[in-house]
Amino acid sequence: GAGVSQSPSNKVTEKGKDVELRCDPISGHTALYWYRQSLGQGLEFLIYFQGNSAPDKSGLPSDRFSAERTGGSVSTLTIQRTQQEDSAVYLCASSLDLAGVGEQYFGPGTRLTVT
Amino acid sequence: GENVEQHPSTLSVQEGDSAVIKCTYSDSASNYFPWYKQELGKRPQLIIDIRSNVGEKKDQRIAVTLNKTAKHFSLHITETQPEDSAVYFCATGGTSYGKLTFGQGTILTVHP
Repeated sequence: GAGVSQSPSNKVTEKGKDVELRCDPISGHTALYWYRQSLGQGLEFLIYFQGNSAPDKSGLPSDRFSAERTGGSVSTLTIQRTQQEDSAVYLCASSLDLAGVGEQYFGPGTRLTVT
Repeated sequence: GENVEQHPSTLSVQEGDSAVIKCTYSDSASNYFPWYKQELGKRPQLIIDIRSNVGEKKDQRIAVTLNKTAKHFSLHITETQPEDSAVYFCATGGTSYGKLTFGQGTILTVHP
């Protein structure tokens, strides 16, 4: 079946502009996660969704970052007034497991470059 | 919060040798320990995971060991092959819904 998809695959934007990144999880997966991977670094947790609600927003680096999920499926990560330090690969993952101890399936990521 | 340290940051081995990557963590409540492999330009993929009620798990050439008392776990790859070359990430979870805390990664290079 189809895996996790993300769009766009690459995004170049000017400093100060807003960007929206989209994630389509695997059908039926109720849990959805956003991570950020900077060059040569590990994955940094941003936010987690259970259905349409986000019980854990602890990883969002600033109030310029927000995310929503609608219909228990598609999620959008929005970065307002982008800064150069926002440049990274943004990865989305989904999981069937509700207890948080199952495999997370990752999408291919969106490479964001802020110039 | 949880802190995960991963070593070494780079590892170079000859084909057929074994490779071992170690991770330590700080939160004693963590109870899920997955390992992900990320090939260049690709998405991370789970290769093996272990839960806190098990000390060791093996799947063909890869194995993971867990020492909860010492709060460390290791990935073992035997009979390495060039296609094992990738970045390997350890992670911990199970304390906050599905949130995973990742190590910094190990670049494994297997020379033919």
